[in-house]
Amino acid sequence: SQQGEEDPQALSIQEGENATMNCSYKTSINNLQWYRQNSGRGLVHLILIRSNEREKHSGRLRVTLDTSKKSSSLLITASRAADTASYFCATVQGGSEKLVFGKGTKLTVNP
Amino acid sequence: NAGVTQTPKFQVLKTGQSMTLQCAQDMNHEYMSWYRQDPGMGLRLIHYSVGAGITDQGEVPNGYNVSRSTTEDFPLRLLSAAPSQTSVYFCASSYTWPTSGPYEQYFGPGTRLTVT
Repeated sequence: SQQGEEDPQALSIQEGENATMNCSYKTSINNLQWYRQNSGRGLVHLILIRSNEREKHSGRLRVTLDTSKKSSSLLITASRAADTASYFCATVQGGSEKLVFGKGTKLTVNP
Repeated sequence: NAGVTQTPKFQVLKTGQSMTLQCAQDMNHEYMSWYRQDPGMGLRLIHYSVGAGITDQGEVPNGYNVSRSTTEDFPLRLLSAAPSQTSVYFCASSYTWPTSGPYEQYFGPGTRLTVT
């Protein structure tokens, strides 16, 4: 069974707007990772956040983690058409070495 | 560095045939894994390995075998192909820590498999 569930499944915004995607998971985790996939391509790692961290930034990306709510969010600020892609969260369950992915959020940024 | 390479890029099999999907990495990563991606299902973990000689099952291991005789290579074998195995297969590798698990994954370009 897949550990993470992204929400929403699809998101369409205008260039320059912010995009927020959420990920909920079921069990305790060691770390949570966000990936991007452009259509038909392999996945690219964006950010890793450990279970003892609450927030991380990378350029226009901001990731938060709330372990009490078992949820994470990915914020992309000032979005660009090139941000159009599917975004996935992946979790490493506590006591495990399995990295399990959610079903993803498909983001469309309209020029 | 070539990163993670996968061969072939495309493959068509008939039901019942067997084949091996190749995966290699040149980053000296301990951790390697195989995923399949189906429309609307995200990526599902098939098998993974934390080092040469060590493999374990993921979420959907049935119908697939793996072995890890070297750090660099992690082949995935389909024993008797079925139409339900039509999918895109991704191999990935990373460093891993015993208390934290696998870190940033480097993905290969994928193999698109069709079973008729």
